[in-house]
Amino acid sequence: GDSVTQMEGPVTLSEEAFLTINCTYTATGYPSLFWYVQYPGEGLQLLLKATKADDKGSNKGFEATYRKETTSFHLEKGSVQVSDSAVYFCALSPNNAGNMLTFGGGTRLMVKP
Amino acid sequence: DTGVSQNPRHKITKRGQNVTFRCDPISEHNRLYWYRQTLGQGPEFLTYFQNEAQLEKSRLLSDRFSAERPKGSFSTLEIQRTEQGDSAMYLCASSRGAGDYNEQFFGPGTRLTVL
Repeated sequence: GDSVTQMEGPVTLSEEAFLTINCTYTATGYPSLFWYVQYPGEGLQLLLKATKADDKGSNKGFEATYRKETTSFHLEKGSVQVSDSAVYFCALSPNNAGNMLTFGGGTRLMVKP
Repeated sequence: DTGVSQNPRHKITKRGQNVTFRCDPISEHNRLYWYRQTLGQGPEFLTYFQNEAQLEKSRLLSDRFSAERPKGSFSTLEIQRTEQGDSAMYLCASSRGAGDYNEQFFGPGTRLTVL
């Protein structure tokens, strides 16, 4: 079945550091790929998405490129802020009738001032 | 648009008791999803509805679990004869439809603790 693997955390960075959170997936066909973020005490929020190969999703300074050849969707940000501290989830949707999401295990990011 | 709401936010129960959770989706969203999230893990799909029809159920959804969405509006998730392994955060999400309209908006979740 479909699966998503992302790097384990926590990831601890200093403010303004470069961020990469790795995500790889296994799926049949051509899934859509997502990054969700969960801030402390809040619900899951969609951060960005890409629906086909070579698409780049971007939002709030975060970017991720859908790489079909490496089945990856790594999340990057050039300069993190303390307010980016959260848990980040990579997910895929198989683009079938159900569109249910399959999530990775999550990566906790802690940004220190 | 007030977002997806879930009630209660927290539920503590004793093993063997029945519990019911409620989810109110964003109005006019046709699809409603239930997920379960255990500590330190990502959410796992349980079931989803297209309007009032329950179209898919995960193998995680044992026969102790039942979900309904009468009239295609709010949904309830009932767990009968709870077990300690049912302790988790239960998340509800809704979306307008499929394809490009399938952005799922999540509620804050109901945290269940089974003693």
